[in-house]
Amino acid sequence: AQSVTQLGSHVSVSEGALVLLRCNYSSSVPPYLFWYVQYPNQGLQLLLKYTSAATLVKGINGFEAEFKKSETSFHLTKPSAHMSDAAEYFCAVTLSGGYNKLIFGAGTRLAVHP
Amino acid sequence: DGGITQSPKYLFRKEGQNVTLSCEQNLNHDAMYWYRQDPGQGLRLIYYSQIVNDFQKGDIAEGYSVSREKKESFPLTVTSAQKNPTAFYLCASSIQATGGYGYTFGSGTRLTVV
Repeated sequence: AQSVTQLGSHVSVSEGALVLLRCNYSSSVPPYLFWYVQYPNQGLQLLLKYTSAATLVKGINGFEAEFKKSETSFHLTKPSAHMSDAAEYFCAVTLSGGYNKLIFGAGTRLAVHP
Repeated sequence: DGGITQSPKYLFRKEGQNVTLSCEQNLNHDAMYWYRQDPGQGLRLIYYSQIVNDFQKGDIAEGYSVSREKKESFPLTVTSAQKNPTAFYLCASSIQATGGYGYTFGSGTRLTVV
């Protein structure tokens, strides 16, 4: 069965610093991978997704993620953090060729300080 | 604009009561999903529906019920059998039940037992 592990439930960075949020997945078949962002008391918004095309995926708000099969990872990065990036981020996986049922990681809360 | 509407945004339930959370989408999506979110636990799947008049249990279906009589509507009832219903509930939809389509989320309903 597929699963997702997000390393670090809380990450804190300075404004302007690199953002790195880690996600590792487990899947017996090629996966589809997603990153979502959630602001307080709101739903989730799709940041980006990997569906077996380019391994480096660019998303909204300057975020990108790289699919590394050898490391079973899909880490999310942003070169320069902004105060508005403070939110909770979720990595999710589903199986290619299977039912579109997303499995979510536990989430990483990103804090950005001046 | 197309999207998913969840109502109410806040809901209070007395012990022993059933309550129904509304979820309506005008995206013409086939599949719909209900997730429960608790702090530090990510999102857990309650029920999902791939097509009208069909639905399946997710990982934590006990104490919940759903219906899918119309394509655009997927209400969730939290019954008195659910022992710990206080949580944030998220409804989502996707174009199809298979494939690497991401989800579109509603803005959530926060349910509190009083």
